[in-house]
Amino acid sequence: AIWMTQSPSLLSASTGDRVTISCRMSQGISSYLAWYQQKPGKAPELLIYAASTLQSGVPSRFSGSGSGTDFTLTISCLQSEDFATYYCQQYYSFPPLFGPGTKVDIK
Amino acid sequence: QVQLQESGPGLVKPSQTLSLTCTVSGGSISSGDYYWSWIRQPPGKGLEWIGYIYYSGSTYYNPSLKSRVTISVDTSKNQFSLKLSSVTAADTAVYYCARLLSYNWFDPWGQGTLVTVSS
Repeated sequence: AIWMTQSPSLLSASTGDRVTISCRMSQGISSYLAWYQQKPGKAPELLIYAASTLQSGVPSRFSGSGSGTDFTLTISCLQSEDFATYYCQQYYSFPPLFGPGTKVDIK
Repeated sequence: QVQLQESGPGLVKPSQTLSLTCTVSGGSISSGDYYWSWIRQPPGKGLEWIGYIYYSGSTYYNPSLKSRVTISVDTSKNQFSLKLSSVTAADTAVYYCARLLSYNWFDPWGQGTLVTVSS
């Protein structure tokens, strides 16, 4: 079974900051990784799929990179609406798994 | 634009069966490119995939829940449903339905519905 970790679990940042979130896999998954954003009381929303492809309508300040076991979600210039929890999800193998999440809050 | 909406009881007694329905609008559940999924999130915790179904009725379940889960589809109503038997307090969660693109990513999601297991 694949294990997933995300770091940090909590990230305190300010508007305008560049933010980087890591997702690490216990085994290689090529580029079969998606990223989601979840705001309090809301459903998750797809940000990125195939590790680096931006979902339609997602602002360009979001970007994804990586392949194999190490992946990164970057927010280039944090906006107020970006304070949320971010999850990675692997779809390389069954069952689909979500990472434990990274909460980005206000510093 | 496809939209999903969960419905069902918000309170279930321990040992009983949790039943939820997801209604799909703006698109056909019989589209061959998609699987229709259930995902849950206990309060304050992360996301757990429960299972998904193809319009033909083929199902795939999380091994950790497989013995208690049944997902079914009603193409005439553009709906799919979740049944989770023998529930305990550990099954208290927000339950989401979502569309899965060909074993890949989940998009879009329903707004979610909180189900509490309590006597």
